[in-house]
Amino acid sequence: DAGVTQSPTHLIKTRGQQVTLRCSPKSGHDTVSWYQQALGQGPQFIFQYYEEEERQRGNFPDRFSGHQFPNYSSELNVNALLLGDSALYLCASTEERGRETGELFFGEGSRLTVL
Amino acid sequence: AQSVTQPDIHITVSEGASLELRCNYSYGATPYLFWYVQSPGQGLQLLLKYFSGDTLVQGIKGFEAEFKRSQSSFNLRKPSVHWSDAAEYFCAVGAGFSGGYNKLIFGAGTRLAVHP
Repeated sequence: DAGVTQSPTHLIKTRGQQVTLRCSPKSGHDTVSWYQQALGQGPQFIFQYYEEEERQRGNFPDRFSGHQFPNYSSELNVNALLLGDSALYLCASTEERGRETGELFFGEGSRLTVL
Repeated sequence: AQSVTQPDIHITVSEGASLELRCNYSYGATPYLFWYVQSPGQGLQLLLKYFSGDTLVQGIKGFEAEFKRSQSSFNLRKPSVHWSDAAEYFCAVGAGFSGGYNKLIFGAGTRLAVHP
């Protein structure tokens, strides 16, 4: 049973560029959340997708956008990259019970470096 | 506002010694509480969770945690630490927001080093 998978695992971009990160949820899960983890910090909630809609959003600018596909997979897009966007981006999935409690299953993340 | 505090940024213990990692939360309602572990370069693995009922919960890898409502704490413990336990540990609270969907609010983490 595959867990949460993310791609790419590492990538390097320059300031001003755009990036797309991808996530496939754990089998049986229909809800995907994205978190940003800066170096030395805990993960910060970006947004959550369920039924192909953004359900809730954290304190992130509109440069951060996402999408969920009918197969429940998801993309995170970041435009006009800043140096401060360098971080580990974590995708997490869950299902109905997890939506109630917050319990999440995480992927191994995509490490983005902005130069 | 909901928040999680992990007072210890870095802890070092000897292999075989006992361990306690502290976590305090701020949340108005009954919290859903979690401990996750992150090995270097890896994602987060769920160690244990508290939703309701018995305030002492058992998790994987021999870890346990105790929920104390009066102290707003959810400390993680292990009686005998193994070298493979060296990692970063995150406490989190499931915080409700509109529409009934929860998100996780994480503490800043505690990095555990284990001496042989």
